[in-house]
Formats: sequence, structure tokens, C-alpha cells
Amino acid sequence: QQQVKQSPQSLIVQKGGISIINCAYENTAFDYFPWYQQFPGKGPALLIAIRPDVSEKKEGRFTISFNKSAKQFSLHIMDSQPGDSATYFCAASISSGSARQLTFGSGTQLTVLP
Amino acid sequence: NAGVTQTPKFRVLKTGQSMTLLCAQDMNHEYMYWYRQDPGMGLRLIHYSVGEGTTAKGEVPDGYNVSRLKKQNFLLGLESAAPSQTSVYFCATTRDNNSPLHFGNGTRLTVT
Repeated sequence: QQQVKQSPQSLIVQKGGISIINCAYENTAFDYFPWYQQFPGKGPALLIAIRPDVSEKKEGRFTISFNKSAKQFSLHIMDSQPGDSATYFCAASISSGSARQLTFGSGTQLTVLP
Repeated sequence: NAGVTQTPKFRVLKTGQSMTLLCAQDMNHEYMYWYRQDPGMGLRLIHYSVGEGTTAKGEVPDGYNVSRLKKQNFLLGLESAAPSQTSVYFCATTRDNNSPLHFGNGTRLTVT
């Protein structure tokens, strides 16, 4: 059972446009929602993260919007650049027992055209 | 400062063969994780460790074993490889539950 559903699977955006990736979760006990960025041949790297006590977090061109009642969160990339072309994963976790275990979405392959 | 190093980078196994994947970290992190990444399925947690000498099962532990004899190393073993274990394997580490994960660059394993 996939606890974090991510869409779209792939996304093509023109340079300068806005990229939007959406995720929905089921477990209301999740208390940490990170987004990871992965380039080909590399491991994922943390991009930005949010906790459910805030509705939005912005870091540079990247913004997370969080809707606790709808159990949804999204990543917005403003002024998208070709260098943003990568695979993006949303995730959610609970600090369960001894370690925080992340549940990942299925990923979105973003292509930004020059 | 290498961060998280995974060896080997690529490996091809025949069904039934065994192998060990090594994850080494030089950040003195307590927590270490093994994930597998498959197309359309994101990353799924196989096993993890919260410190030297400890291991615990994740979401998809069957067919894998792990050991953490030294703080800096986390080994993932496949005793009898199956085609279903064809995947890209990532190791990750973190200092504590409130810090981000640091991933290695992965091991691409093919089982024929």
C-alpha cells in the first residue's frame, strides 16, 4: 500500500515557467515532509522540508505548500531552469521508536526546456 | 571528506549467487539506512541501523541481511540473489532523527 502518492510521473516545463509537483498522504501521524532532488547517477539530496505546523515554506525559488486538512503537499519551482531538470521525490515520515523512517513517493521526472 | 561511499558501483549476479554491498561513511553519523530504488516505486527501506552493533527491518527486508560491526560501515548482504532483487541500492546516513539523510551514489545490481 503506497502511503504517499506523487503526481505527475513526468513534467516538461519551459525555462522561466513554474513547475508544480503534488503529493498526497494517508497517515495522519506523519510529522515531517521533505522533498529530495536526484540527478542521474547520483543519490537523492534534500531540497527542502516542512513540518505540519506551517502551511508554506520558501527557500529561494523552491516553495512547499502544505494543506493538512486535505493531506496534501506540493513543491513549486519558480523561474524553472534547465539545471533543475532532475527527478524529484516527496516523502513523509514519523519518528517511530528509534529512528525516523521515510516513506517516499514514486518520483517525478522534471525536464526544463531551454 | 568523501561523505557516503558505496562499493561496488555496478554488479551483475546470476540467480542464486551471493554478494555483499558496502556502505562506508566518514561523517561519524549514528544512523545508517539501506534503500532500494525501482522505477515507479520511489525508494523503499530495506534495513536500518541506529548505531554500531544494531540493525532493524524496514519495509522490504526479505532476502537481505545487514551488519553494522563498525560505526562507519553498514553492509547489505544477499545470500541467494533473485531476479526480483535487480535494483539500484542506496545507502544513507544521518546524525539524528532531526537531521537530513545523506545518500551515497548507489549500486546498480542486475540479477540474471
